[in-house]
Amino acid sequence: AQKVTQAQTEISVVEKEDVTLDCVYETRDTTYYLFWYKQPPSGELVFLIRRNSFDEQNEISGRYSWNFQKSTSSFNFTITASQVVDSAVYFCALSGDRDDKIIFGKGTRLHILP
Amino acid sequence: DTAVSQTPKYLVTQMGNDKSIKCEQNLGHDTMYWYKQDSKKFLKIMFSYNNKELIINETVPNRFSPKSPDKAHLNLHINSLELGDSAVYFCASTPESGISSGANVLTFGAGSRLTVL
Repeated sequence: AQKVTQAQTEISVVEKEDVTLDCVYETRDTTYYLFWYKQPPSGELVFLIRRNSFDEQNEISGRYSWNFQKSTSSFNFTITASQVVDSAVYFCALSGDRDDKIIFGKGTRLHILP
Repeated sequence: DTAVSQTPKYLVTQMGNDKSIKCEQNLGHDTMYWYKQDSKKFLKIMFSYNNKELIINETVPNRFSPKSPDKAHLNLHINSLELGDSAVYFCASTPESGISSGANVLTFGAGSRLTVL
C-alpha cells in the first residue's frame, strides 16, 4: 500500500528564517513519482515540483529546495529566507507506476510571522 | 481561459437533497479526478476516470456517482446529502501517465465548497 506521512501538522517561523517540511513515503513500486503542492489561504492547489524515483538529484528553485533520499524514503522541502507569502498548507504526494492514483499526505500548515 | 473549471463554487443545501457539481477541462488531458478536502484539510481521492472509463473508486458511499460524458467532463452527483458530506470538492486532471515531465501532474480546479445544513 502507498502512504505519505507529513508528521509536522503545523509550523510557525519568523520571516527570513529557513524552514524544512518533512515528507516520508511508503511504496512497493519500483518506479514512482513524488510531488509537492501548495495551498495558500485563497484555497487553490498549486503544483510545485515532481520527481521520479530514478532521479535523486536535489533541486533548487529560487528560495525553494528539495532533498530526495531513497535510502530514508524521504522527500523534504526547504524554504530559505521565508516570506509571509509562503504561508500556506503544503502537501506532499505520491504516485506509483501501476495506476493513476495520486495520494496526498495530510499537509503541513506553515505560518510565516512578520 | 480557465484550464479546469468547476461549478458551482459554493453550494449550500439541506440534508437529504440531491446535488451535482460539474467539472470541465480544456487541457486535452486523458484522466480526471475528484478529490474531497475536509475541514482538517485532508485531501482524499474519490474517483478517477481515464477517457470516460472509471479506473479508481476509493470506497466512496454509493450516494456519490461520478459521470463522464466525454473525456473533458467529469461530473459528481450526490444523493441524499448528509452533514458529513460538507467539504471542498476538487476536480483535477492529468495528461497521459509516463515519465515525461508533465505526466501525473495534477491540475486542479478552484474547488467547490459544499455545505450541508
